[in-house]
Amino acid sequence: GAGVSQSPSNKVTEKGKDVELRCDPISGHTALYWYRQSLGQGLEFLIYFQGNSAPDKSGLPSDRFSAERTGGSVSTLTIQRTQQEDSAVYLCASSWDRGYSYEQYFGPGTRLTVT
Amino acid sequence: GENVEQHPSTLSVQEGDSAVIKCTYSDSASNYFPWYKQELGKGPQLIIDIRSNVGEKKDQRIAVTLNKTAKHFSLHITETQPEDSAVYFCAAPVSSADGLTFGKGTHLIIQP
Repeated sequence: GAGVSQSPSNKVTEKGKDVELRCDPISGHTALYWYRQSLGQGLEFLIYFQGNSAPDKSGLPSDRFSAERTGGSVSTLTIQRTQQEDSAVYLCASSWDRGYSYEQYFGPGTRLTVT
Repeated sequence: GENVEQHPSTLSVQEGDSAVIKCTYSDSASNYFPWYKQELGKGPQLIIDIRSNVGEKKDQRIAVTLNKTAKHFSLHITETQPEDSAVYFCAAPVSSADGLTFGKGTHLIIQP
């Protein structure tokens, strides 16, 4: 079946511009995660959605980052006034249910470059 | 929160030899430890996981061991093959949320 998809695959933007990254989770998965992967670093947890509950935003690095999930499915991560340190690969993952012990299925990521 | 340390950052082994990657964690309450494999240009994929009620788990050439007393767990790959070349990440639960804290990854290189 279809896996997690993300768009765009690559995004180059100028410093100060806003960007939107999209994630389509696997159908039926109720949990959705966003991570950031910087060069040589591990995966940094950003935000977590479970069904229609309020998201866990504890990993967002600043108030320039926000995310929403419409209808319990598609999610959009928005970065306002992008900075060069925002350059990274942004990964989305989904799983069947809440809880860290459910396998997380990752998308291929969006590579963001801020010039 | 949980802190996961992973080493080595790079590991080069001859094809056919074994590879071992080690991780330590800080939260003694953690009870679930997955390993993910990331190939170039792709997202990470779960390859094996272990829960705190067992000390070892095997799946063909891959095994994971857990030492809860010492708070460390390891990934063992035997009879390595070229397709094992990838970046491997260990993880543990985030203390205050339902997510995972990942190590910084190990780039495994299989030399022909």
